[in-house]
Amino acid sequence: DTAVSQTPKYLVTQMGNDKSIKCEQNLGHDTMYWYKQDSKKFLKIMFSYNNKELIINETVPNRFSPKSPDKAHLNLHINSLELGDSAVYFCASSHGLAGGPTQYFGPGTRLTVL
Amino acid sequence: GENVEQHPSTLSVQEGDSAVIKCTYSDSASNYFPWYKQELGKGPQLIIDIRSNVGEKKDQRIAVTLNKTAKHFSLHITETQPEDSAVYFCAASGSGGGADGLTFGKGTHLIIQP
Repeated sequence: DTAVSQTPKYLVTQMGNDKSIKCEQNLGHDTMYWYKQDSKKFLKIMFSYNNKELIINETVPNRFSPKSPDKAHLNLHINSLELGDSAVYFCASSHGLAGGPTQYFGPGTRLTVL
Repeated sequence: GENVEQHPSTLSVQEGDSAVIKCTYSDSASNYFPWYKQELGKGPQLIIDIRSNVGEKKDQRIAVTLNKTAKHFSLHITETQPEDSAVYFCAASGSGGGADGLTFGKGTHLIIQP
C-alpha cells in the first residue's frame, strides 16, 4: 500500500555515467515533484510535473531531465554524472489544488558518484 | 523567490518538556505552510500544515501558529517523547499557483533527552 515509491533506494556509480531514478505514486495525484537533499540536509525543489507538463525548473543543469510516461510516474534521468550530484533525491506528489496542496514524499534515492 | 529561515538548527529538550521551532518567510504572497518530520534514512513526512486564512491549528500534541503580518510561523510540540527525535522542516509555498514546489527551511534537529 506504498503511496509514493522510488527505485533504486541506493545508487553508486562512476563520474560521467548516465543513470535514471524511477518514481511511482498510487494516490491518484496529478502533480509530481523531484527534490534534492544535499549533505547538509537542505531540501530544494528541482522539478514539478502537472498533467505531463513541466511547471517548475529551478535552475537545474540540463543534464537532469524529468520524464513522465503517465500521471502516476515521474522518472529522473541524469546524464554525465558529476561528483556534486551526490545527494539524496526525493520524489513527491500532490493534487494540483490552488492555495498549497499537500505533498507526499517517497523514501528517497541515495546517489553516490565516485 | 521565496526564502525560508528556520531556527534553531539543533534543539535539545528533556522528555516531557515542550519544544518550539520558528520560521520566517519572505514572500508575502505565500499562503501554505507545512511542517515535515524526517527520520534517519526516510523521506519527509507531513505532520501538520496551516493555510494563510488561519492563525493557529492544533493536532493532539502538535500545534502551528502563523503571523502573516510578521511573516512568521512556529511549530509547538508539547509533552515530548523519545519518538519525537528527528529533523523537522518548515516550508512555504503558494505564490505561484496550484503546482508550486515547496521552499524549505534548513531543518531543526530535535533531540529528546530521556
